[in-house]
Amino acid sequence: QVQLQESGPGLVKASETLSLTCIVSGVSISGSSYYWGWIRQPPGKGLEWIGSVSYSGSVDYSPSLKWRATISADMSRDSFSLRLTSVTAADTAVYYCARRFSGTYAFEVWGQGTMVTVSP
Amino acid sequence: QSVLTQPPSVSEAPGQTVTISCSGSSSNIGHHDVNWYQQFPGQAPKVLIFYDVLLPSGVSDRFSASKSGTSASLAISGLQSEDEADYYCAAWDVSLNDYVFGTGTKVTVL
Repeated sequence: QVQLQESGPGLVKASETLSLTCIVSGVSISGSSYYWGWIRQPPGKGLEWIGSVSYSGSVDYSPSLKWRATISADMSRDSFSLRLTSVTAADTAVYYCARRFSGTYAFEVWGQGTMVTVSP
Repeated sequence: QSVLTQPPSVSEAPGQTVTISCSGSSSNIGHHDVNWYQQFPGQAPKVLIFYDVLLPSGVSDRFSASKSGTSASLAISGLQSEDEADYYCAAWDVSLNDYVFGTGTKVTVL
């Protein structure tokens, strides 16, 4: 059974860097069928795709976040990470990691999400 | 502002059918497959539909979807109280190079 678990600080100061890790269990992230992504949801608002890393290590980012976001994968530890620089209050959100198959953009396995608050 | 527009809310009585629309453009719905997600408060989203109309294993067949041109819709038949949730459409946008989510629709069972 595939499981994803986000981890990282729940509080980040404005202008600093948000760092989260997603630990994957039940499958190797280097498997050729999968992409691994980050999606966020500000309180009371909708979903926003941040970016995805493929089984080969290639990364795609949302244009709105590409200059501040870095997604990387650690194949040896079956984990992938998100770094978001120069955070502001607008980055306060629940951050989800998720998996999709290479043939579709649908994210079919999700972590439980982790709330990150940006403080002044 | 999302490029996929959904009604903020829909409501219907138990046992009835409710339909949620998702309006996009030729660069997203008109170009790529549509996905639909269900999200309960405090929980992660769950995919209901992929490849426009396909249900993942374990998803009730009371859910169905369709797509025509630059619009898509999700129908929930035999509405039950357990269907009260937020629903989001999503698709890849080839112009934005972005995976875009709809504005979301809250379903209320009267």
